[in-house]
Amino acid sequence: DQQVKQNSPSLSVQEGRISILNCDYTNSMFDYFLWYKKYPAEGPTFLISISSIKDKNEDGRFTVFLNKSAKHLSLHIVPSQPGDSAVYFCAASGSGSGSARQLTFGSGTQLTVLP
Amino acid sequence: SQTIHQWPATLVQPVGSPLSLECTVEGTSNPNLYWYRQAAGRGLQLLFYSVGIGQISSEVPQNLSASRPQDRQFILSSKKLLLSDSGFYLCAWGGNQPQHFGDGTRLSIL
Repeated sequence: DQQVKQNSPSLSVQEGRISILNCDYTNSMFDYFLWYKKYPAEGPTFLISISSIKDKNEDGRFTVFLNKSAKHLSLHIVPSQPGDSAVYFCAASGSGSGSARQLTFGSGTQLTVLP
Repeated sequence: SQTIHQWPATLVQPVGSPLSLECTVEGTSNPNLYWYRQAAGRGLQLLFYSVGIGQISSEVPQNLSASRPQDRQFILSSKKLLLSDSGFYLCAWGGNQPQHFGDGTRLSIL
């Protein structure tokens, strides 16, 4: 049962344009969402997060949007740069203690920014 | 600043052999520690987490075990590896969310 889904395994975007990465979740108990970026042979690096009390969080070129009613979040990268080429993972966690606060990851989207 | 070390970077082991992967964290005390596995084409699956020395929680039944002998040391082990244990293993530390990952170990089972 995949509670966090990234339905696009790959995305190609021209340098300078906007990259939009999508993520859907099914568990209504999730209240905190994160995006990670991963280069080959390295561990994921935390990018940006959003809690369920917000619908938007912005950090430089990265903006995360949350639509709770649709159980959907997206990561926008503007403008896209070749160095943004990596695998992007969406992750979610729920309220409560113990394992409920652990992260559930999507399967990732490979972003390729073309020069 | 906090850093996390994970070794080895790559490992090739025969089926049935034992396994020990080590992870250490510097610059923080009493962190939550996590072991994840990424199988080919899949997301990160949480295997174990620990909130303190000797405290291990397992998220999925499997052929692996974890131990935390010291505050900033987390070890992933197996007595007999299976082919299905192949994958990319990641250690992470954090508060409630593991926000900081090591560089991972690529484990190949022959």
